[in-house]
Amino acid sequence: KAGVTQTPRYLIKTRGQQVTLSCSPISGHRSVSWYQQTPGQGLQFLFEYFSETQRNKGNFPGRFSGRQFSNSRSEMNVSTLELGDSALYLCASSLLGIPRNEQFFGPGTRLTVL
Amino acid sequence: AQTVTQSQPEMSVQEAETVTLSCTYDTSESDYYLFWYKQPPSRQMILVIRQEAYKQQNATENRFSVNFQKAAKSFSLKISDSQLGDAAMYFCAYINNQGGKLIFGQGTELSVKP
Repeated sequence: KAGVTQTPRYLIKTRGQQVTLSCSPISGHRSVSWYQQTPGQGLQFLFEYFSETQRNKGNFPGRFSGRQFSNSRSEMNVSTLELGDSALYLCASSLLGIPRNEQFFGPGTRLTVL
Repeated sequence: AQTVTQSQPEMSVQEAETVTLSCTYDTSESDYYLFWYKQPPSRQMILVIRQEAYKQQNATENRFSVNFQKAAKSFSLKISDSQLGDAAMYFCAYINNQGGKLIFGQGTELSVKP
């Protein structure tokens, strides 16, 4: 089985621009979660989508949004980029209902905001 | 709110020796799961070991084992016969039985000396 894939792997943007990141989950996984990783704040939960619906949301401003498509692929969007949005963005997929709720991570998208 | 704390930012171990990484958590929920993830320099998050809160028996995976103390809310990771490839950042993580949202500790950077 193919793992979780994320595109693009690297991205450079300037302040004020917007960006869209993509995540394709493991086949059959319907839950996709997004995390932001920075040296200062560590790993922080952004949001989770299940069956095209946002099921959980972290404590991030409205500039961060996401969606999930019928094939379970997910996108996250950040509008009006700020320098502090520079981070590694990780997505993870899981099979909800399986008792252990394991999440399998993609390789991440490294976003640099100049 | 649930929290996860790793009090050791850095640890070092000699190759072939044993090392223990500490993790404590706080929750009022009774049904949850705990994980240790490894993040090498490639930044790919790799699941090392999992523990279901309802299981009293400590989980083991080859050279990796945990000491799960539910009453004390402690979840430490023991790595036996440490290898150079074990050098990485290790994250302790919590998820409840609803799934979808992992809560991570701050991480412990493990170095392995030859």
